[in-house]
Amino acid sequence: AQTIHQWPVAEIKAVGSPLSLGCTIKGKSSPNLYWYWQATGGTLQQLFYSITVGQVESVVQLNLSASRPKDDQFILSTEKLLLSHSGFYLCAWSLDWGDEQYFGPGTRLTVL
Amino acid sequence: GDSVTQTEGLVTLTKGLPVMLNCTYQTTYSPFLFWYVQHLNEAPKLLLKSSTDNKRTEHQGFYATLHKSSSSFHLQKSSVQLSDSALYFCALSPNNNNAPRFGAGTKLSVKP
Repeated sequence: AQTIHQWPVAEIKAVGSPLSLGCTIKGKSSPNLYWYWQATGGTLQQLFYSITVGQVESVVQLNLSASRPKDDQFILSTEKLLLSHSGFYLCAWSLDWGDEQYFGPGTRLTVL
Repeated sequence: GDSVTQTEGLVTLTKGLPVMLNCTYQTTYSPFLFWYVQHLNEAPKLLLKSSTDNKRTEHQGFYATLHKSSSSFHLQKSSVQLSDSALYFCALSPNNNNAPRFGAGTKLSVKP
């Protein structure tokens, strides 16, 4: 069975500090991977997607970057956090284009 | 470009009444359409999906029919329950190797 794990579960960070969020998918090789950002109760904003190791496409950057260092790992990061980065970060995977997406449990980020 | 429109931001209903949440899309490719449901503090989960024109798809009492002639995939339920209160997202995956698109989401609030 496939599992998706996100870390950390929650973070409280200061404005201007760096950030790294992680996502790991087990039990599925070469999935499509996605990062989303969501304000509380708001729209899902797609940030990045990746179809293969080392290849990441940006949809909306929001002063964030993403990398896929391994087939089963997707990292979201920034060197300087802004207040506007607060929210819920969701990682998701799909088998292919046209397939349903499976979402991880999310990371709740608060920037103070 | 590809897009999804959900016209209602908030729908408030009394338990037992029927509901329809609107979803229209735009794409020049043959689409896959999805409905995801997100309960409070949880990740989105797939509710329905379809790529077949004029075929009704059902799950957990919800149903939707993809109508390519009107580019619509409205979500319906004949009798809403308190537990149906959640955010509902319509999503499009165009069959062109481009990233999926999500609508803005509709919050369904069911009152006793």
